[in-house]
Amino acid sequence: ETGVTQTPRHLVMGMTNKKSLKCEQHLGHNAMYWYKQSAKKPLELMFVYSLEERVENNSVPSRFSPECPNSSHLFLHLHTLQPEDSALYLCASSQDTTANTGELFFGEGSRLTVL
Amino acid sequence: AQSVAQPEDQVNVAEGNPLTVKCTYSVSGNPYLFWYVQYPNRGLQFLLKYITGDNLVKGSYGFEAEFNKSQTSFHLKKPSALVSDSALYFCAVRDPRGSGYSTLTFGKGTMLLVSP
Repeated sequence: ETGVTQTPRHLVMGMTNKKSLKCEQHLGHNAMYWYKQSAKKPLELMFVYSLEERVENNSVPSRFSPECPNSSHLFLHLHTLQPEDSALYLCASSQDTTANTGELFFGEGSRLTVL
Repeated sequence: AQSVAQPEDQVNVAEGNPLTVKCTYSVSGNPYLFWYVQYPNRGLQFLLKYITGDNLVKGSYGFEAEFNKSQTSFHLKKPSALVSDSALYFCAVRDPRGSGYSTLTFGKGTMLLVSP
């Protein structure tokens, strides 16, 4: 496999469920990101991990909990979500160096529906 | 703070005609600018970027973009549109004075519809 792989592609969950989204990158990058994409809104950066440390957390509710066990894997743990959390969740990766010009490599997304 | 504006929710163009998707930005200093494309049920794909140098940047699938510093714009263009170009297009900006990781700020996207 190459690139950035996200699983599952589709997830339907109730508000009391606990589920996780998984992202794996095969590009040798050392920075990984979670973005939220809602209809007709700009992409919202949720979390950034660089060298396996969380470096950004953009006021995301605690019902979203990220985990980065190594530089190739990123998880988003979901608990007690609300219907307004329904969206496409995108994972991305990049190489974190001073020479990085900023290009991100995205996965295909996990479409989450909260009932 | 950096920001991006894509003033059009949707752009309609006939196949074979030139297309333009507009983007303006706000950032302190000299920006890094990007265009990404998203096809239905897919993630975002990188199209092109402006870092420095020539104001006209060429990218994938025949697309190009022109950086205009005085107008703080980075409009995406293609001389002859194809039906297969129909997709959602995102403009993004990054302040290069930031950290090594890529905190891009994206616009809300513009849907391009190319009719046969």
